[in-house]
Amino acid sequence: QVQLQESGPGLVKPSQTLSLTCTVSGGSISSASYFWSWIRQPAGKGLEWIGRIHSTGSTSYNPSLKSRVTISGDTSKNQFSLKMNSVTAEDTAMYYCARGVVYYYANWGQGTLVTVSS
Amino acid sequence: QSALTQPASVSGSPGQSITISCTGTSSDVGAYNYVSWYQQHPGKAPKLIMYDVSNRPSGVSDRFSGSQSGNTASLTISGLQTEDEGDYYCSSFTSSRHVVFGGGTNLTVL
Repeated sequence: QVQLQESGPGLVKPSQTLSLTCTVSGGSISSASYFWSWIRQPAGKGLEWIGRIHSTGSTSYNPSLKSRVTISGDTSKNQFSLKMNSVTAEDTAMYYCARGVVYYYANWGQGTLVTVSS
Repeated sequence: QSALTQPASVSGSPGQSITISCTGTSSDVGAYNYVSWYQQHPGKAPKLIMYDVSNRPSGVSDRFSGSQSGNTASLTISGLQTEDEGDYYCSSFTSSRHVVFGGGTNLTVL
């Protein structure tokens, strides 16, 4: 069974870059069958799709975040990553990585809380 | 892209049935049969309970069912159980090939 685990700093200063990594076990990010995504959830609020990457390297991003976000993959480590620059307090959220087909996600990580504060 | 519209909360008694609606537009919900639903318990990651409008993943109770009419999708839970309490989110593929979620619905089993 595939497992996903998010990791990265829990505290990021405003205007800096948020960097998270999702380590995948039990499955390969090189698989053409799946897409690998980032989704976030501010405390007490709903889910927001950030973007996805496919094994071909093709990416797609939420238009509202596109200018600040990059998702990349490292097949040698079986990991994919999220970078979000120029963060503000509004980027404080639980960040989840997930595996799925292009439009739904059957496998999720447990999430990692990122707080943006000085 | 705007979030899909869900009621903020619904409630029901054990054994009853409830329905959660999810309204979008002709550019997302109405464009495809690609609506999915997630259940989330406090402090936990979301769990996929329905995909492609009305398909249940393996292991999901058949008390959960999904449907769609035009720009509105619905999730029905029959024979409510206390374990069904939690938040429910719909999601849809969009004509821009993105994914959009609903605002979420909190289900209380009285």
